[in-house]
Amino acid sequence: SQTIHQWPATLVQPVGSPLSLECTVEGTSNPNLYWYRQAAGRGLQLLFYSVGIGQISSEVPQNLSASRPQDRQFILSSKKLLLSDSGFYLCAWSPDSRGEKLFFGSGTQLSVL
Amino acid sequence: GESVGLHLPTLSVQEGDNSIINCAYSNSASDYFIWYKQESGKGPQFIIDIRSNMDKRQGQRVTVLLNKTVKHLSLQIAATQPGDSAVYFCAEISGTYKYIFGTGTRLKVLA
Repeated sequence: SQTIHQWPATLVQPVGSPLSLECTVEGTSNPNLYWYRQAAGRGLQLLFYSVGIGQISSEVPQNLSASRPQDRQFILSSKKLLLSDSGFYLCAWSPDSRGEKLFFGSGTQLSVL
Repeated sequence: GESVGLHLPTLSVQEGDNSIINCAYSNSASDYFIWYKQESGKGPQFIIDIRSNMDKRQGQRVTVLLNKTVKHLSLQIAATQPGDSAVYFCAEISGTYKYIFGTGTRLKVLA
């Protein structure tokens, strides 16, 4: 069966520090991969999605970037964190080219202080 | 713009009763929907999905109903248990990859 791993679960970082969140998917090949951010009491916001290695689409202009160095690995990064980057970050994957059957990881709670 | 919303922000039900969580969507072109369950501090858990060519789909203790005429989606949970307490939200595909998510309804199960 397929599983998605996301880490770390919790992260506290000072303003201006770099960020690296990692996500891996097991048990499938060539998944669609996504990074979402969830603000408290608000819906999920799509940040990035990837349909293949090295292929990244950005949905919103921001201080973050994403990379997909391997088929089942997706990384969310920032060179310098802002206070506004705080939030709950979720990695997700889909086996479908259209993005159906979207499955989420366990999430990373990022606090930028 | 297009949106997916929920009628009730909080729903309290007695343990053993059935729960019904509702969702309205505004994009008549959406043809695929998912219900998620999210517990505090955890990622959303896929519960059940439905395509627009169906009116009803059943899973284990859950049923999703789709009424395309009034653009309404509902999740029914049979014999609600304490472990069902969570936030539930719906999602629709509006174009490839682009989901629209509701903010959620909190389900509280009373013992």
